[in-house]
Amino acid sequence: AQTVTQSQPEMSVQEAETVTLSCTYDTSESNYYLFWYKQPPSRQMILVIRQEAYKQQNATENRFSVNFQKAAKSFSLKISDSQLGDTAMYFCASVYTGNQFYFGTGTSLTVIP
Amino acid sequence: GAVVSQHPSRVICKSGTSVKIECRSLDFQATTMFWYRQFPKKSLMLMATSNEGSKATYEQGVEKDKFLINHASLTLSTLTVTSAHPEDSSFYICSVSHGNYEQYFGPGTRLTVT
Repeated sequence: AQTVTQSQPEMSVQEAETVTLSCTYDTSESNYYLFWYKQPPSRQMILVIRQEAYKQQNATENRFSVNFQKAAKSFSLKISDSQLGDTAMYFCASVYTGNQFYFGTGTSLTVIP
Repeated sequence: GAVVSQHPSRVICKSGTSVKIECRSLDFQATTMFWYRQFPKKSLMLMATSNEGSKATYEQGVEKDKFLINHASLTLSTLTVTSAHPEDSSFYICSVSHGNYEQYFGPGTRLTVT
């Protein structure tokens, strides 16, 4: 079974500071992708960042970056210079062949002004 | 990314009635769409995979006779909740598959059964 674990149900960070959200996954597949999605109060799922498992280089998207540790099956998200608009639920997800996504339980992030 | 719409965004129906939710892929043809259910402050739970021109594949524990899925065209999939009950109240989200490993999500539909 494919599982994704987010061990931090809630987190908070001061505006302009940096925060890291944790995610671990379990798979026996060799080819897969990992994602972080953001779900603000509007409930629209927004893709934050994507990592291909065969790429060793960590993905970055502006203030968002990941620390991908393939051997440890760890995929954490770092948000730098946190902004009030970053307040949302964050879901880690993995996908393998067949396009089925496996989501973690989510981390509720609050950015404090 | 792909643009996905859902209609309606909110619906209230009476217990025992049926309600249909539409999911449209607006800018590309989607052979595969997914339907999720999300409870408050919980993760997305995959209900079924909708394949154009064939029967949907339901996840274990999801009643296929209660949650009817039709994917009649490459741009439209519908989810019909039949004989709805209050416990069916939830947030329903669809997504479309685009290429390998990509999914784009609709804005969701909030269903309230009274």
